[in-house]
Amino acid sequence: KQEVTQIPAALSVPEGENLVLNCSFTDSAIYNLQWFRQDPGKGLTSLLLIQSSQREQTSGRLNASLDKSSGRSTLYIAASQPGDSATYLCAVRRQKSSGDKLTFGTGTRLAVRP
Amino acid sequence: DTEVTQTPKHLVMGMTNKKSLKCEQHMGHRAMYWYKQKAKKPPELMFVYSYEKLSINESVPSRFSPECPNSSLLNLHLHALQPEDSALYLCASSATTGGSRNEQFFGPGTRLTVL
Repeated sequence: KQEVTQIPAALSVPEGENLVLNCSFTDSAIYNLQWFRQDPGKGLTSLLLIQSSQREQTSGRLNASLDKSSGRSTLYIAASQPGDSATYLCAVRRQKSSGDKLTFGTGTRLAVRP
Repeated sequence: DTEVTQTPKHLVMGMTNKKSLKCEQHMGHRAMYWYKQKAKKPPELMFVYSYEKLSINESVPSRFSPECPNSSLLNLHLHALQPEDSALYLCASSATTGGSRNEQFFGPGTRLTVL
């Protein structure tokens, strides 16, 4: 059974800091990994998708890396802003014989202080 | 337009009521999903529809009944729910269910409270 863990569970940083969120998964047979952002009580916003054959993806101040063999991904946020405050979730996608399945990590709750 | 819409935004229902949640996407996606999310927990997959056919049911109780009337619409019919079913219900869609480029897009969710 795929298990996805995120460390740290919560993080509070001053504005302007660069930070790294970690995601680890137990089954390396994945198709891709997605990073999402979730504001309180809201839906999920897709930030980045890394295919299993890729090492990293970048979007603006965000950079995500993937090391499939070791079961790890990191999300790097440069020059953090208060608007980045949210819960960040990673999710790995593995194909089941009967369809598709996305397994989510436990999440990192980020607070960026002005 | 990468938008998935869900109605209603909030729903309060009694344990004897019957209600439905609705999800819609116009991205031409052929896979749609229902997730349940309890407070401070990650989303948990409930159902997957692929080309309007149910492909995954994660052992969800029968008081939750999904329906996919066409490729753009996904419903979740609710009947005789329990208070512990109170949660945020999220709908998602993706182009298909295969391939490493497949990305899931989520709606804003329906906040369900069962009294």
